[in-house]
Amino acid sequence: KQEVTQIPAALSVPEGENLVLNCSFTDSAIYNLQWFRQDPGKGLTSLLLIQSSQREQTSGRLNASLDKSSGRSTLYIAASQPGDSATYLCAVYTNAGKSTFGDGTTLTVKP
Amino acid sequence: GAVVSQHPSRVICKSGTSVKIECRSLDFQATTMFWYRQFPKQSLMLMATSNEGSKATYEQGVEKDKFLINHASLTLSTLTVTSAHPEDSSFYICSARDALNEKLFFGSGTQLSVL
Repeated sequence: KQEVTQIPAALSVPEGENLVLNCSFTDSAIYNLQWFRQDPGKGLTSLLLIQSSQREQTSGRLNASLDKSSGRSTLYIAASQPGDSATYLCAVYTNAGKSTFGDGTTLTVKP
Repeated sequence: GAVVSQHPSRVICKSGTSVKIECRSLDFQATTMFWYRQFPKQSLMLMATSNEGSKATYEQGVEKDKFLINHASLTLSTLTVTSAHPEDSSFYICSARDALNEKLFFGSGTQLSVL
């Protein structure tokens, strides 16, 4: 059974700081891994998707890496802004056709 | 970008009534859609996987007779909460998987409050 763990559960940083969110998974037989952000009371917004054959994806200030063999992914946020405050979730899509979500990291960026 | 429309965004109903929530993929075909519920400050919990033209697959502990799922077309899935009770009050979110690139897209969610 796939298990996804996100560390830390919560993170508070001053504006402008670079930060890293971690996601680990137990079964490396994945199809892809996707990072999302969730704002309070709202749905999820897709940030980056990394296929199992890829090592990283970049979009603006965001960079996501994937090390399938070690079961890890990181989301790097450069020059954080208060607008980045949200809960960040990673989801692993397995070859069995299921997505398993981590519990998320709640990020607060202080002005 | 791909959009998933979920409607309604908020519903308040009396105990015992049924509530239907719609999830539509607007510009892509979704052979698979997923329904989740989320309690405050908790992670998403998968309720069921809905495949177009076939019966939904429910996760353990989810009552299929209470949460009716219909996925009649490649762009529409509905979740009906039958005989709703206050304990069904929650945030319900759907997602649709793009058949072309396997990417997941989420609806904006439905906040259900049962009085």
